[in-house]
Amino acid sequence: EAGVAQSPRYKIIEKRQSVAFWCNPISGHATLYWYQQILGQGPKLLIQFQNNGVVDDSQLPKDRFSAERLKGVDSTLKIQPAKLEDSAVYLCASSLDWGTGNTIYFGEGSWLTVV
Amino acid sequence: GENVEQHPSTLSVQEGDSAVIKCTYSDSASNYFPWYKQELGKGPQLIIDIRSNVGEKKDQRIAVTLNKTAKHFSLHITETQPEDSAVYFCAAQDGSPPLFFGTGTRLTVIP
Repeated sequence: EAGVAQSPRYKIIEKRQSVAFWCNPISGHATLYWYQQILGQGPKLLIQFQNNGVVDDSQLPKDRFSAERLKGVDSTLKIQPAKLEDSAVYLCASSLDWGTGNTIYFGEGSWLTVV
Repeated sequence: GENVEQHPSTLSVQEGDSAVIKCTYSDSASNYFPWYKQELGKGPQLIIDIRSNVGEKKDQRIAVTLNKTAKHFSLHITETQPEDSAVYFCAAQDGSPPLFFGTGTRLTVIP
């Protein structure tokens, strides 16, 4: 079974530039998550989709971050304009469904450095 | 929301010894507690999980215990091997997603 795919793996941009990350979840998984992991910390949820609808985006800085999951499969996370504090690993994850205890599978992450 | 505390932040053990990582959580409604292992440059991988109706779960050299009254859970790794070296995260989930993660423990197994 293929895992969660993410691209690009690494990105370096200057502050105020924009960047987009792409995610393809495990086939058949209805729930997709974007987490932000700052160096030395645990992952923190940015946004959660159930199929193509947003379930929770309360922690997403909406003035600069946006995400979509068109057709309920792939997802894109965009940052515009980027700030230095956005330097982090952006982890995409998916689970079969939304309920408690559904195993969440993570991709390898997209490493962002803002200079 | 849920608050998960994890300690120690770093742990070094000799190969073959045991390692124990402890977590506490704040929300008594939490009922799912997974542990993830993250190797350098990779995403977190689930290694074991436990639900609130179970006090202990074991999978080969890895075990997790849960004390709902005290609101803490622990990861135990026995007979540690160099390939166990990684960052380990505990997490908790209340009645619905998301997972709330601890701050991580960097485990180093010294050959």
